[in-house]
Amino acid sequence: DAKTTQPPSMDCAEGRAANLPCNHSTISGNEYVYWYRQIHSQGPQYIIHGLKNNETNEMASLIITEDRKSSTLILPHATLRDTAVYYCIPRSPRDDKIIFGKGTRLHILP
Amino acid sequence: GAVVSQHPSWVICKSGTSVKIECRSLDFQATTMFWYRQFPKQSLMLMATSNEGSKATYEQGVEKDKFLINHASLTLSTLTVTSAHPEDSSFYICSARVPLAGDQPQHFGDGTRLSIL
Repeated sequence: DAKTTQPPSMDCAEGRAANLPCNHSTISGNEYVYWYRQIHSQGPQYIIHGLKNNETNEMASLIITEDRKSSTLILPHATLRDTAVYYCIPRSPRDDKIIFGKGTRLHILP
Repeated sequence: GAVVSQHPSWVICKSGTSVKIECRSLDFQATTMFWYRQFPKQSLMLMATSNEGSKATYEQGVEKDKFLINHASLTLSTLTVTSAHPEDSSFYICSARVPLAGDQPQHFGDGTRLSIL
């Protein structure tokens, strides 16, 4: 499994875009990048995933560098409810297991 | 979308008792489910893989006689913490995904907070 590096914590002002980086320099060719978040005392929530191309859904956008060694999750207009721990997880479709790293604790400031 | 439900949400019990936690896939059949444990201010730690109709696969360091897993149907896996002690107090979370669904994501339950007195 590819290892990831994420900043331990970040702050973002409410209403601004939150950009969460993830380094996954050892990602292999068939591994997608998945992003989950965990709000306090809840189970992880799936946000978005991608392989090579940038992706967007109703929750967020995912920007993956051309060499696939890093990615950025973008929450376009952060709200207080986006305060959570965000996890970046490379995973191959053949593997069902998800191994969590330490993630980034995002604080949205009023 | 795929929904995973856990029950109970929280449980408090006395030391020495056994506690059963249920994980259900509500709108799909899951041949494989996963159990995680999370201590305060730490990340989720994978405990075991629950396989429908066969024995669970435990991660290194997880006592299989302590944490009994049963996956008797395609929509239900149970985790039983046997002879629970205060150090077993934790947040237990399960996950599953639609089988053979390519890159589709895992979905997680809302977790069970276990407190052993």
